Amino acid sequence: QVQLEQSGAEVKKPGASVMLSCKASGYTFISYYIHWVRQAPGQGLEWVGIINPSGATTTYAQRLQGRVTMTRDASTSTVYMELSSLRSDDTAIYYCARSPLRHFDHWGRGTLVTVSS
Amino acid sequence: QTVVTQEPSFSVSPGGTVTLTCGLSSGSVSPSHNPSWYQQTPGQAPRTLIYNTNTRSSGVPDRFSGSILGNKAALTITGAQADDESDYYCVLYMGSALYVFGPGTKVTVL
Repeated sequence: QVQLEQSGAEVKKPGASVMLSCKASGYTFISYYIHWVRQAPGQGLEWVGIINPSGATTTYAQRLQGRVTMTRDASTSTVYMELSSLRSDDTAIYYCARSPLRHFDHWGRGTLVTVSS
Repeated sequence: QTVVTQEPSFSVSPGGTVTLTCGLSSGSVSPSHNPSWYQQTPGQAPRTLIYNTNTRSSGVPDRFSGSILGNKAALTITGAQADDESDYYCVLYMGSALYVFGPGTKVTVL
């Protein structure tokens, strides 16, 4: 069955960077886009960006442009998201989600990132 | 910048019907926005309900349906049950590989 296994919780200081991973299994990795979505405590869902595991092309939400980078390792079926220059308002649960066609069909369990001095 | 709109909250009686909407601050929602809907309960990852306006995701009960109503996408819950009490989010495809979530609607069943 389709699974998206996300890396463990992170605690970072303001200004630092964090790299999260999302390991896919149960399907052909390069056949589906992967999105990242985040949710700050008590807030709604926010789209972060998308990566095409086949060609590694990416698109990011405008407000995160310049701070977010998504990459993939096809040999391990893993997608990575790095967020730099962390601020307190980056504190959130970060989800990866598989995308067959302009929607999300399978979700990871999420990774909590806490930014605190 | 175009903003996606949703009602902040709705209350529905058990067995009742509720329609949530997903609009744009400027313009109309159309099937080309590929509206999709997600249900989220506290502490859980979102669950996919509806995609491509009106296609139910696998395993989703048929009491959930999607449509375009006027200039908005809509999610209707017919015969609401207690475990439908959740937050509901719509997502619109804005072109150029860009997506936007609505702010979510909190549905209470009582």
